[in-house]
Amino acid sequence: SAVISQKPSRDICQRGTSLTIQCQVDSQVTMMFWYRQQPGQSLTLIATANQGSEATYESGFVIDKFPISRPNLTFSTLTVSNMSPEDSSIYLCSVVFTVRTGELFFGEGSRLTVL
Amino acid sequence: RKEVEQDPGPFNVPEGATVAFNCTYSNSASQSFFWYRQDCRKEPKLLMSVYSSGNEDGRFTAQLNRASQYISLLIRDSKLSDSATYLCVVKSNDYKLSFGAGTTVTVRA
Repeated sequence: SAVISQKPSRDICQRGTSLTIQCQVDSQVTMMFWYRQQPGQSLTLIATANQGSEATYESGFVIDKFPISRPNLTFSTLTVSNMSPEDSSIYLCSVVFTVRTGELFFGEGSRLTVL
Repeated sequence: RKEVEQDPGPFNVPEGATVAFNCTYSNSASQSFFWYRQDCRKEPKLLMSVYSSGNEDGRFTAQLNRASQYISLLIRDSKLSDSATYLCVVKSNDYKLSFGAGTTVTVRA
């Protein structure tokens, strides 16, 4: 099965700074997404990472706060900008390999703590 | 009303027991349904897709009831390793998935 690698796996950051999370898939995928999972809660979709164009953001998420890049079909980055303690969360890269089934597969996640 | 609702549990069961729990969804146009398993501090992993006719994968059985808009997961002969949070996931359009908050299952020796 394909491998979805995320880094960093965890980080502790200071308020006001920014962090970029990378997601690398070892095969080309059409659909790639970024999710957030806050402590004790389920997953919330941040945005769909579109190859070669601007990401599609869900309600409550904006590009200035969560800029996303997707230069090709195997790689994407999510930046959490101007961080505050409320941004402490697990950020998960996910992909769909087969559009017909829609099954979603996740990277191992990046656990972010903002002090 | 949330798009996907689950009983958070926890369901505490002895090894070898059977445990079952449901998930309800609000969008009658939902097309696909999944159960994911999430271990503590790990990413969710696909456990099984749920088909209209119901399906079984070893000790796990999933059922779909479109009329009442719920899906269920049954675990037979529970193992200690089944302890996890089980996430109900519903797909309503081409790609967007809605996640339930999860049902926690703890299997004790």
